[in-house]
Amino acid sequence: NAGVTQTPKFQVLKTGQSMTLQCAQDMNHNSMYWYRQDPGMGLRLIYYSASEGTTDKGEVPNGYNVSRLNKREFSLRLESAAPSQTSVYFCASSETAWDRDQETQYFGPGTRLLVL
Amino acid sequence: AQSVTQLGSHVSVSEGALVLLRCNYSSSVPPYLFWYVQYPNQGLQLLLKYTSAATLVKGINGFEAEFKKSETSFHLTKPSAHMSDAAEYFCAVSDGFQKLVFGTGTRLLVSP
Repeated sequence: NAGVTQTPKFQVLKTGQSMTLQCAQDMNHNSMYWYRQDPGMGLRLIYYSASEGTTDKGEVPNGYNVSRLNKREFSLRLESAAPSQTSVYFCASSETAWDRDQETQYFGPGTRLLVL
Repeated sequence: AQSVTQLGSHVSVSEGALVLLRCNYSSSVPPYLFWYVQYPNQGLQLLLKYTSAATLVKGINGFEAEFKKSETSFHLTKPSAHMSDAAEYFCAVSDGFQKLVFGTGTRLLVSP
């Protein structure tokens, strides 16, 4: 099992450009999450998907959109990138969001994004 | 609302010394608490979690944490530090509604 995979690993964008970060998991998990990590601020939740076909906003959703393409894949889109979106982005998944004993999240390796 | 506070953005220890990383939580529901470790340029890896069973939780790599409700704490300890323990450690609390709230992290530095 590869676990949670993310592409690309690193990306440089100019202000105003768009891009999509891809995430896939092979653990048959129902729930998936997108976080951003900034120095001194820990991880902050951008969006999450409790199950295929549903998405909800997290703590910092502005400037982002998501798509739960199927059970395996959950993408994050920046429509018009801004320097404030320079960050490391992590995708995570968990078996289910409805059973607290199953809510351990497993993380991908991250995507480093630099917006100039 | 749930929150966690990690005291000390950096902790330095000598190899073989006790490791103590502090985490205090605030939660309006019975908390589920987690410690994750992040090695350089990698994702987060679960060390251990507390889910209202035993208050002393043992994790991987010799780490353990004790849930103390009276002190609203969930500190992470390891009796003897190894060089390979150098990493950033995150405490997190679950809000019970599919979301983890993370602390700001503590970077552990281990010197020979």
